[in-house]
Amino acid sequence: AQRVTQPEKLLSVFKGAPVELKCNYSYSGSPELFWYVQYSRQRLQLLLRHISRESIKGFTADLNKGETSFHLKKPFAQEEDSAMYYCALSGTASGTYKYIFGTGTRLKVLA
Amino acid sequence: DSGVTQTPKHLITATGQRVTLRCSPRSGDLSVYWYQQSLDQGLQFLIQYYNGEERAKGNILERFSAQQFPDLHSELNLSSLELGDSALYFCASSWDSWGSPLHFGNGTRLTVT
Repeated sequence: AQRVTQPEKLLSVFKGAPVELKCNYSYSGSPELFWYVQYSRQRLQLLLRHISRESIKGFTADLNKGETSFHLKKPFAQEEDSAMYYCALSGTASGTYKYIFGTGTRLKVLA
Repeated sequence: DSGVTQTPKHLITATGQRVTLRCSPRSGDLSVYWYQQSLDQGLQFLIQYYNGEERAKGNILERFSAQQFPDLHSELNLSSLELGDSALYFCASSWDSWGSPLHFGNGTRLTVT
């Protein structure tokens, strides 16, 4: 079955420390992977997608097909990075298309 | 504002009742997705429409139904409501039917008492 797993509900780091938000997926085809972010009192929005291979707000994510992971990383966390982060997958398997999300990880960056 | 618009923002109703949630997609987008977010749950995919036709179905209950109209707005109908249906319901839109980034609305918070 298609599934996106974010093992951490909450991740707290100090400002300036590295951040890694974990995302693992199970999927039988070639999925598109995304990270979405929701800042306080704002709507959910796209942060980055794996096919773009770009860095947004200092965040990067590499798709590791061998480990079926798409972890989100930032070398130096900032207080404004505090938000809810969701990993998402889209694709078609067995003729069925899905666009599914993980349960999210709340990142708190402490001063 | 040409973003995704959801109405109403809040809805309080009693068990057994029926409600309709409305979503207007971002200008130019043809796909509409519906998600349910309950307490401590992620975004549960319910259903997707593309240009008026059902494109994909997720964990949508038989008591729930949706449609997308010719002007591309969509409605999610929830009937025979139960306490467990209390949740935040999100609508999202994208320009194509597969793989594009989603643009989300602010959600409708449904409370069933």
